[in-house]
Parts: sequence; structure tokens; C-alpha cells
Amino acid sequence: AQSVAQPEDQVNVAEGNPLTVKCTYSVSGNPYLFWYVQYPNRGLQFLLKYITGDNLVKGSYGFEAEFNKSQTSFHLKKPSALVSDSALYFCAVRTSNTGFQKLVFGTGTRLLVSP
Amino acid sequence: DAGVIQSPRHEVTEMGQEVTLRCKPISGHDYLFWYRQTMMRGLELLIYFNNNVPIDDSGMPEDRFSAKMPNASFSTLKIQPSEPRDSAVYFCASSLNMGGRGETQYFGPGTRLLVL
Repeated sequence: AQSVAQPEDQVNVAEGNPLTVKCTYSVSGNPYLFWYVQYPNRGLQFLLKYITGDNLVKGSYGFEAEFNKSQTSFHLKKPSALVSDSALYFCAVRTSNTGFQKLVFGTGTRLLVSP
Repeated sequence: DAGVIQSPRHEVTEMGQEVTLRCKPISGHDYLFWYRQTMMRGLELLIYFNNNVPIDDSGMPEDRFSAKMPNASFSTLKIQPSEPRDSAVYFCASSLNMGGRGETQYFGPGTRLLVL
């Protein structure tokens, strides 16, 4: 069965500092990995995804994520945080072994960037 | 494209009433998903459709919930009768069919449902 773990309920970082939001996964077969962001009272917005190829994936708003197969991780990173990055971040995974479209989401990590 | 459109954005109803949530997916997308988000259970997939056909409804909580997709541009999620524990934010999402090569799901703004 597929699963995703986001071990931190909340991450606090000062504006201008680098940020990392952690995600680990478990799938049978090769993973497809996604990061979404949710701002208050809004739907989830796609940030980036890893399908294959380069382990470092660049996405929207200056975010990037590194796929690490040996550690089964897909941590979200940004070199310099902005107050406007404060939101709820979701990691999601599905396996490439099936043609179905079912994504499994993590429980979310709230990012709080202080001025 | 306007993105995924959901209506209403907010719904307040009384226990026992019928609730209908509506979704218009992005034009050309083959897959449509209904999710529910609560503080306690996080984001749950309720059901999804491929080419208007329900594929997996294992996440539908009980018989009070039903979903339809009469055509490629419209879907409904109905709760009858509604109960206070159904209070949540319901999201609709859609994606293209790329043969299972990591399709991205695009979410609507959600419907915030409160059942009193």
C-alpha cells in the first residue's frame, strides 16, 4: 500500500532563511511524488512533481524538492523564505505500477514564516 | 481556462436536509475527483471518475453520499440526509489522462459545508 509521512505538523522559519518541509513515502514500484500548497480558504495548488530523471525538481514560487530514493524522501526546500510562503503544504504519492489515478496525501505541514 | 469551478462556495444547512455540491472540471480533462477535508481526518478521496464513469468509490463514507457525472463538464456530490459530522470542505479536482505517467490534479476552491 502507498503511504506518505509528513513528520512535522508545523515548521517555523524567519523570513530570508532557508526552509525545508519533510516528506517520506512508501510505495511498491517507482513513485510519482507531488507537492501542493494550500492557502487559507483556498483549494490546493500544484507546486511541483517528480516523475523521473533529475532528482532535483524545481517548481513554482522558487520552491524545489529533492528526490532521494535510498532514503525514500522528497523534501521541499526554498533558499530564502518569504512571509507570503506561510501556508499548509501537502506531499502526495502514487505508484507508477498502476494506471489508476489515485493519489495518497500526507497530513500536511503548516509553514509559518515570521518577519 | 478558468480552472476547476465549484458551487456553492459555502453551504449552511440543517441536519436531515439534502445537500448538492457541483463541480465543473477543466475542459478536456478525463479524470474527476471528489475529496473531503477535515481537521480530524485530513484530505480523503471520496470517489473518482474516468470519462464520466465512476472508477473507485471506496472512499464514499456511506449510502447517504452519492456522486454522478452526467457529462464531461459537470459532476455532483449529493448528501441525503445530511448530518453534522458531514461538515467539512469538499474539493473537486480534475486531471488529464497521460497513460499513468504522473498526471497532475488541479483542485477547485472547495465548498465549505456546515450542517447544523
